[in-house]
Amino acid sequence: DAGVIQSPRHEVTEMGQEVTLRCKPISGHDYLFWYRQTMMRGLELLIYFNNNVPIDDSGMPEDRFSAKMPNASFSTLKIQPSEPRDSAVYFCASSMGQELTQYFGPGTRLLVL
Amino acid sequence: KQEVTQIPAALSVPEGENLVLNCSFTDSAIYNLQWFRQDPGKGLTSLLLIQSSQREQTSGRLNASLDKSSGRSTLYIAASQPGDSATYLCAVDDTGTASKLTFGTGTRLQVTL
Repeated sequence: DAGVIQSPRHEVTEMGQEVTLRCKPISGHDYLFWYRQTMMRGLELLIYFNNNVPIDDSGMPEDRFSAKMPNASFSTLKIQPSEPRDSAVYFCASSMGQELTQYFGPGTRLLVL
Repeated sequence: KQEVTQIPAALSVPEGENLVLNCSFTDSAIYNLQWFRQDPGKGLTSLLLIQSSQREQTSGRLNASLDKSSGRSTLYIAASQPGDSATYLCAVDDTGTASKLTFGTGTRLQVTL
């Protein structure tokens, strides 16, 4: 398997623009997680899905952030409008059933100017 | 709220040295603890997972221990190699489902020739 795939790998945008990050989980995995990593706050869970249904979005910082999982093989994290403080590395991870190990994608490095 | 601390934040050792990385957590009511490795520009890779009922786990040159009552875990790396250079993060699971992991800020390890 190719592992968790994220796109784009790098994104530079201007404040106020809409940003969409994409993730393809490992085939057969039924949990999908979105994380954000910054120097100041470390790695934080934003939202996670089980069987395409959002289970816990308490980590989503504000209404500017939204996430969807229309099917088992695709998820998006959208920021609208983006702000400089959203600059971070965003990771997607997936896991299967009762397995406790999460498999991380390579991340999307976002810079909002 | 669970808080996870890792000390030291950075560590440099010569090749061949044995070393210990530390992780402490404030709430001892955890189900398991994981150690991850993160290479620059890449996602996290799970190294070891210790269930709350276990005291330690071993994989090759890595040995992780858990003292749940005192809120501490250590990752022991034997005979360090330059390829071990990376950031090591610990994460605790308060839910038993590995769905909401609380991560430490990591220890950046450099093994020099």
